[in-house]
Amino acid sequence: DAKTTQPNSMESNEEEPVHLPCNHSTISGTDYIHWYRQLPSQGPEYVIHGLTSNVNNRMASLAIAEDRKSSTLILHRATLRDAAVYYCILRGSTGANSKLTFGKGITLSVRP
Amino acid sequence: DAGITQSPRYKITETGRQVTLMCHQTWSHSYMFWYRQDLGHGLRLIYYSAAADITDKGEVPDGYVVSRSKTENFPLTLESATRSQTSVYFCASSSLDRGNEQYFGPGTRLTVT
Repeated sequence: DAKTTQPNSMESNEEEPVHLPCNHSTISGTDYIHWYRQLPSQGPEYVIHGLTSNVNNRMASLAIAEDRKSSTLILHRATLRDAAVYYCILRGSTGANSKLTFGKGITLSVRP
Repeated sequence: DAGITQSPRYKITETGRQVTLMCHQTWSHSYMFWYRQDLGHGLRLIYYSAAADITDKGEVPDGYVVSRSKTENFPLTLESATRSQTSVYFCASSSLDRGNEQYFGPGTRLTVT
């Protein structure tokens, strides 16, 4: 399985934008880039995913490099509730490749 | 209520006992998954199922058994619990029709003494 590399942790200030990086240099052409987050004492929740183009939804934006070897999750205005572990995951499109392989993720702390 | 539920939420059992963790989803999602999460680690896949009566091993299947006779249920059984199976267990489901997003349950915290 192609792997991702994320920093261990990041800090941000409340109400400021946050850019969470992810490297995936061995990504294959059919791998989707997924982001999940896990709040303390909860199960992971889906944030966003993309293939080639940048994506926006109500939670965040996903910026994908042109060569697809890296991506950035953007939280436009961090809140205290965004403090969580964020996982960047590559996922195949169908069948057995639809499994998620979680790494350790990046722990985001948000300062008031 | 709609969604994905797990029971029990907390369980303490003794070494050697059999214990079953339940997972139920109301979306009729074809895929279901079991993960475990140990302190300081990410989630590791135990077993998954692509449909009723179809299951397959994940990364750490030893010591676990699964079944899926109905689409909505995916129980996980520890046949003879060991202390190393103390963990938080998460169930998830997904549908190919919804972009393969996985929806996770609230987790079961299992302690094996």
